[in-house]
Amino acid sequence: GENVEQHPSTLSVQEGDSAVIKCTYSDSASNYFPWYKQELGKGPQLIIDIRSNVGEKKDQRIAVTLNKTAKHFSLHITETQPEDSAVYFCAADRGGADGLTFGKGTHLIIQP
Amino acid sequence: DTAVSQTPKYLVTQMGNDKSIKCEQNLGHDTMYWYKQDSKKFLKIMFSYNNKELIINETVPNRFSPKSPDKAHLNLHINSLELGDSAVYFCASSSVGRDTGELFFGEGSRLTVL
Repeated sequence: GENVEQHPSTLSVQEGDSAVIKCTYSDSASNYFPWYKQELGKGPQLIIDIRSNVGEKKDQRIAVTLNKTAKHFSLHITETQPEDSAVYFCAADRGGADGLTFGKGTHLIIQP
Repeated sequence: DTAVSQTPKYLVTQMGNDKSIKCEQNLGHDTMYWYKQDSKKFLKIMFSYNNKELIINETVPNRFSPKSPDKAHLNLHINSLELGDSAVYFCASSSVGRDTGELFFGEGSRLTVL
């Protein structure tokens, strides 16, 4: 099955700086790569996603890049704010019955 | 209105008991899921259910049984609870087809087995 590795497990940045979280996947058949944000006591929520026919996608301060050849994708958050503090999960989907395979999460801490 | 709602939010019980968690979605989605999140925050799929077919993850013990009375509901019943079952269980739903993508999660049910 698919295997998704995510790094780092914890990331602390100063407010206003950028944060980058990286993921790799194993199955070249995967074609959908979402990122979820989980705030304390809540369920994960989709913040941005990218499909395998696109190399980059941006939504305001959030961007995702995908390198299909290397099988890795990254989340970039610019001008970080305190409300960005949360656990972020990358995931990969190859369209089969197993659903999304998630990375192990990154705890992003924004230091004031 | 809450899109995906699950009850109870917290559940504390003794080893060996049987318990159920209920999930309902009002998004009109055809596919529903149960995910388990352990103490290290790792999210792992347990089941997916398209109103025609239940997909069982083979790593899930058969003490766990999903039940779907209709496509808007997917309940999780757990028999003979063990300490290792302690986790947060998330229900989720998505629209028809594997290519659509977005999962909508409930707020989770924290199960503690003593």
